[in-house]
Amino acid sequence: QQQVKQSPQSLIVQKGGISIINCAYENTAFDYFPWYQQFPGKGPALLIAIRPDVSEKKEGRFTISFNKSAKQFSLHIMDSQPGDSATYFCAASNSFNKFYFGSGTKLNVKP
Amino acid sequence: GAGVSQSPSNKVTEKGKDVELRCDPISGHTALYWYRQSLGQGLEFLIYFQGNSAPDKSGLPSDRFSAERTGGSVSTLTIQRTQQEDSAVYLCASSISAGVDSPLHFGNGTRLTVT
Repeated sequence: QQQVKQSPQSLIVQKGGISIINCAYENTAFDYFPWYQQFPGKGPALLIAIRPDVSEKKEGRFTISFNKSAKQFSLHIMDSQPGDSATYFCAASNSFNKFYFGSGTKLNVKP
Repeated sequence: GAGVSQSPSNKVTEKGKDVELRCDPISGHTALYWYRQSLGQGLEFLIYFQGNSAPDKSGLPSDRFSAERTGGSVSTLTIQRTQQEDSAVYLCASSISAGVDSPLHFGNGTRLTVT
C-alpha cells in the first residue's frame, strides 16, 4: 500500500506562473512533511518542510499548504522560473524513523 | 562542509555477479538510509540504521540484498547474484538523529546497470 500519493506525474507551467503539486497520506501518525527537489544526476535536496501544527509555511517563492483533516498537503511555486524545472518529491515520516516518498512530479517551466 | 558521499557513481555488472555500494554519511549523523530509485520512479525505502540499534530491514526486496554499517559511520549495500531488475540508482541519505528536527541529506547515488 502506497503511504504517500502524489499528483500530477508531470507538469508544464509557463514562466511566471504558479506550479501546484499535491500529496495525500494515510497514516495519521505522520508528523513531518518535507518536499525534496531533484535535478538530473543529483540526489534529492530538501526544499521546504512542515509540521502538522501549522496550516501553511512559506519560504521565498515556495509555500506548503497543509490540511490535516483531509490528510493532504501541497507545494506551490510562485513566479515559476525555468531554473525550477526538476523533479519534486513529497514525503512523510513518523518522528523521522522512516521516510515515505511520493512517486514524484516532473516540472517543466517553459521560458 | 562535506556532504554524503557515494561510490562508485556508476557501476556496470554482469547478471549473476555480486556488487558492493558504499556510502560515507555526513560526519556526526547517526541515522543512515538506503533508497532505490528506478528510472522515472519514486524512492523505494530499503534499509535504515539508527545508532547502535538493530537496523530496519523491512524494505529489502529479497535475501540477495544486505547492508551493514561499520563503526556507526560508513555503510555498504551488497547485492548478491545481481539480476537485471536490480538496475536502478541507489541513494544513500543521512540525518543527525531520528526524533530530532533533521531532514535527510542525500548523496548523488550509484547508478547500477546489470547487463
